[in-house]
Amino acid sequence: DVKVTQSSRYLVKRTGEKVFLECVQDMDHENMFWYRQDPGLGLRLIYFSYDVKMKEKGDIPEGYSVSREKKERFSLILESASTNQTSMYLCAWGGTATNEKLFFGSGTQLSVL
Amino acid sequence: GENVEQHPSTLSVQEGDSAVIKCTYSDSASNYFPWYKQELGKRPQLIIDIRSNVGEKKDQRIAVTLNKTAKHFSLHITETQPEDSAVYFCAASPDSGGGADGLTFGKGTHLIIQP
Repeated sequence: DVKVTQSSRYLVKRTGEKVFLECVQDMDHENMFWYRQDPGLGLRLIYFSYDVKMKEKGDIPEGYSVSREKKERFSLILESASTNQTSMYLCAWGGTATNEKLFFGSGTQLSVL
Repeated sequence: GENVEQHPSTLSVQEGDSAVIKCTYSDSASNYFPWYKQELGKRPQLIIDIRSNVGEKKDQRIAVTLNKTAKHFSLHITETQPEDSAVYFCAASPDSGGGADGLTFGKGTHLIIQP
């Protein structure tokens, strides 16, 4: 079965810290996504990548960046964490032209104090 | 861009009754409509999807209907069971060939099954 692993389930950081959220997929697949989930706001796309070294902005990229140095790893970076970035972050894999299904990781609940 | 509205935000039904969740979309070019289910503390998972060339699709107790003219689609769950309790997200995509970056999600419906 497809596996998408996120490095941390819960994370607590301080305002101004640089935060790295890691996502690793065990399939040799190109498409990877970072979503943010907030109550009452649904799932919102932050960044996505369709290949190594490739990255594109989603709907809410402000305050975030990403890194895709290897095909299996897609990292979300908060350069200077702020309290309004407290949220559940979900990594996803899939969503291709031939199979639109997205496979989500278990999520990282980030709290910025 | 696409805008997806989902209603209701919370739905409580008696076990065994039916539940209906409705979504509307704004982009007439949208042609792919998936539904994801997220149980408490778990990841979202695809439960059913429909394309614009089909009006209805069924999978056991769940079904999705699509009205392209009115630009709305609905999830129907019959004979609800406790394990149906979850948050359900609808989504719409204008081009299934362009990757999931075009997928826009609704805000979610919390379905509660009362025993």
